[in-house]
Amino acid sequence: LAKTTQPISMDSYEGQEVNITCSHNNIATNDYITWYQQFPSQGPRFIIQGYKTKVTNEVASLFIPADRKSSTLSLPRVSLSDTAVYYCLVGDGGTSYGKLTFGQGTILTVHP
Amino acid sequence: GAVVSQHPSWVICKSGTSVKIECRSLDFQATTMFWYRQFPKQSLMLMATSNEGSKATYEQGVEKDKFLINHASLTLSTLTVTSAHPEDSSFYICTGRPPGANVLTFGAGSRLTVL
Repeated sequence: LAKTTQPISMDSYEGQEVNITCSHNNIATNDYITWYQQFPSQGPRFIIQGYKTKVTNEVASLFIPADRKSSTLSLPRVSLSDTAVYYCLVGDGGTSYGKLTFGQGTILTVHP
Repeated sequence: GAVVSQHPSWVICKSGTSVKIECRSLDFQATTMFWYRQFPKQSLMLMATSNEGSKATYEQGVEKDKFLINHASLTLSTLTVTSAHPEDSSFYICTGRPPGANVLTFGAGSRLTVL
């Protein structure tokens, strides 16, 4: 299982764009990159997933370079409610996909 | 979207008693579900893989006799913490992957406090 490395914490202000980068040097060919958001005392919630290049949905964008050894989650115009822990995970989507290794995650704090 | 429901969301029990936590996939069938544990200010740690109709598989260091897992149907997995002690106090989260999806759906978690 590919190990991921993220910054432990980040601070931002309302309305700013936040970019959180995750390193996954040992990513395998079949691995997808998935980001989850977790609020205190809640289960993680899916944000976005990608395999290569760029993916965008209604809440975030995910940038993946050609070598796939890293990825960047971009949150446009954050608000106070985006304060949470963000986890980057890699997995192959197979039957063992739930057997994931969660890293420390990134604690994002959005200030007024 | 897919929904995983956990019950209870929080529970307080006395040391030495057993507590059961239920995890239901409400709109999909899950032959496999996963149980995680999260201590305060720490990340999620995989405890075990729950397999429908067969024994669960446990991660290294997790006592199978203490954390009993039953997956009797395609929509229900249960975790029973037997003879709970204060060090078992934690946030327990289950998750499953809907068929055809590469995304996990997590339950809301169950906070266990052992006095």
